[in-house]
Amino acid sequence: EVQLVESGGGLVQPGGSLRLSCEASGFRFDNYAMYWVRQAPGKGLEWVSGITWNGNRIGYADSVKGRFTISRDNAKNSLHLEMNSLRPEDMALYFCAKGGEMLYAPLASWGQGTLVTVSS
Amino acid sequence: EIVMTQSPATLSVSPGERATLSCRASQSVGSNLAWYQHKPGQAPRLLIFGASSRAPGIPARFSGSASGTEFTLSISSLQSEDFAVYYCQQYNNWHSFGQGTKLEIK
Repeated sequence: EVQLVESGGGLVQPGGSLRLSCEASGFRFDNYAMYWVRQAPGKGLEWVSGITWNGNRIGYADSVKGRFTISRDNAKNSLHLEMNSLRPEDMALYFCAKGGEMLYAPLASWGQGTLVTVSS
Repeated sequence: EIVMTQSPATLSVSPGERATLSCRASQSVGSNLAWYQHKPGQAPRLLIFGASSRAPGIPARFSGSASGTEFTLSISSLQSEDFAVYYCQQYNNWHSFGQGTKLEIK
């Protein structure tokens, strides 16, 4: 059974930094692209970032480009999101999601999310 | 960036009736279109991929169709557990989601 468990969320001041992690199990992690998706309070889903199985291709939403960095450690079956220069509009529930072996695939499995609060 | 536009924002339908949700892409995404169901406090659930293929375990009352850049999710004979928010998503150029359609009980 695929399991994705996010961690690292919390309260941070505007301009601050936070590092999210996602621990994966139940599948061959280094075969799959991985993603971060967020949902701000009362809003819809927003794709944040994605990374191919080997890290050779990385993409970001315009809203986070230059501030967020996605990475993965295939030896530890983990995905990370380094978030810098955080803004109030970055406050959201952040989901980790499993993509496909190919880049162009839907998000078949999701974690339960970790909450990021940006407030002074 | 590909913009996905869903309509309507809210759809009120009675249990047992049919619901039809729409999604439009700002440019071609081929058939790289998925639909998700999202309930409060839960992870989103993949329903449809490839515009019209049901994900494993998804009931046959859920169906998807496509015409160019216009996509439709149909739910026949609505059950109580189907009332939720539905999102379309393109995965042809990274990913982007529509703003969602809230399906509520009439």
